Amino acid sequence: QKEVEQDPGPLSVPEGAIVSLNCTYSNSAFQYFMWYRQYSRKGPELLMYTYSSGNKEDGRFTAQVDKSSKYISLFIRDSQPSDSATYLCAMSGETSGSRLTFGEGTQLTVNP
Amino acid sequence: DSGVTQTPKHLITATGQRVTLRCSPRSGDLSVYWYQQSLDQGLQFLIQYYNGEERAKGNILERFSAQQFPDLHSELNLSSLELGDSALYFCASSSGVSQPQHFGDGTRLSIL
Repeated sequence: QKEVEQDPGPLSVPEGAIVSLNCTYSNSAFQYFMWYRQYSRKGPELLMYTYSSGNKEDGRFTAQVDKSSKYISLFIRDSQPSDSATYLCAMSGETSGSRLTFGEGTQLTVNP
Repeated sequence: DSGVTQTPKHLITATGQRVTLRCSPRSGDLSVYWYQQSLDQGLQFLIQYYNGEERAKGNILERFSAQQFPDLHSELNLSSLELGDSALYFCASSSGVSQPQHFGDGTRLSIL
């Protein structure tokens, strides 16, 4: 079983929709949770960075972490065609040092 | 632009050969990380350097090695290349432990 599970999609939504992306994990030592966006032929771009449980909002993006359920989410409001990309969750913790453990990524397409 | 520079962008070589991938971290970042991204394995951590010293090792093959130089740039050396080494190799940098990692745009390695 993988340490981090992420639905690979693909996910296709109309412009303006609310998008929900999710990851579950098994390692209770994870404390830092990230969401990256990766466009084709580009490197992962950091979107959200959170520590422990709770919510964090940045513009149209909201990240949620529920450590009790080992579940993290990324919500995208008013989705745009430019949001079409692969979204990767990533995690790290004290026992794993700074190394990031990634989900396999969810491919999102926002249709105009 | 993340500020992390990787060269070359694309490398095509043959089995049995040796290549060197180069990474310049963001200004001020002391930590450099190398990751491999393949279709079947996703993004996998290889190795981390902090201010010239190896800090952590992941699933890095013995045929692979890395180093970080006094000017903080890093090189990943891949030798005795096999077809299965074809992948995207990403470098990331951060200012310290548990700080966000920022990725370059990667080197695409193709083994013929």
